[in-house]
Amino acid sequence: QKEVEQNSGPLSVPEGAIASLNCTYSDRVSQSFFWYRQYSGKSPELIMSIYSNGDKEDGRFTAQLNKASQYVSLLIRDSQPSDSATYLCAVKEYGNKLVFGAGTILRVKS
Amino acid sequence: DADVTQTPRNRITKTGKRIMLECSQTKGHDRMYWYRQDPGLGLRLIYYSFDVKDINKGEISDGYSVSRQAQAKFSLSLESAIPNQTALYFCATSDNADGGSPYEQYFGPGTRLTVT
Repeated sequence: QKEVEQNSGPLSVPEGAIASLNCTYSDRVSQSFFWYRQYSGKSPELIMSIYSNGDKEDGRFTAQLNKASQYVSLLIRDSQPSDSATYLCAVKEYGNKLVFGAGTILRVKS
Repeated sequence: DADVTQTPRNRITKTGKRIMLECSQTKGHDRMYWYRQDPGLGLRLIYYSFDVKDINKGEISDGYSVSRQAQAKFSLSLESAIPNQTALYFCATSDNADGGSPYEQYFGPGTRLTVT
């Protein structure tokens, strides 16, 4: 079973700060990576996907991928209290199966 | 209307009872998945189906069975529920392409199951 590791947190940041969430994975051949946001009691929601080394920006979110080091990160700029949630890192296996990390709890304090 | 629906949304059942969780989707996706989520363990794959005639076991299939009644419907059964099957269950769907292109999964609202 391929593994995806995340720090469980909670990660606490003040409103307006940059939140940095990290994820490492064990399978060197993985090609597709996803970040899901999950509010308490709700279903996961896809917020970012990244497939190539480097950065991918979408609004306040930036995903960073380094395949050589086998890590993927998510930066949230200008963090808002509404960003408080659990962030799940997922890595695509063959056949479009996803392996999920356990998630990092983010708390943005106003 | 929601693209992926799950019924029931909440269920309390007793040890030894049979229970079925249902999932329906209007996204037209061929692939469907069942996950369970436990605190601190993230999402774990129970079963997945790439089309009506294709059913595959996931990471934690023991104690569960599934039925793909149609492209749009995928049901999960617990033949004899036990307390450690208490969890949040999610159905998900995705498009049917593989290879180098990326495809995302879309989740239903979840079913909270409690086995007493």
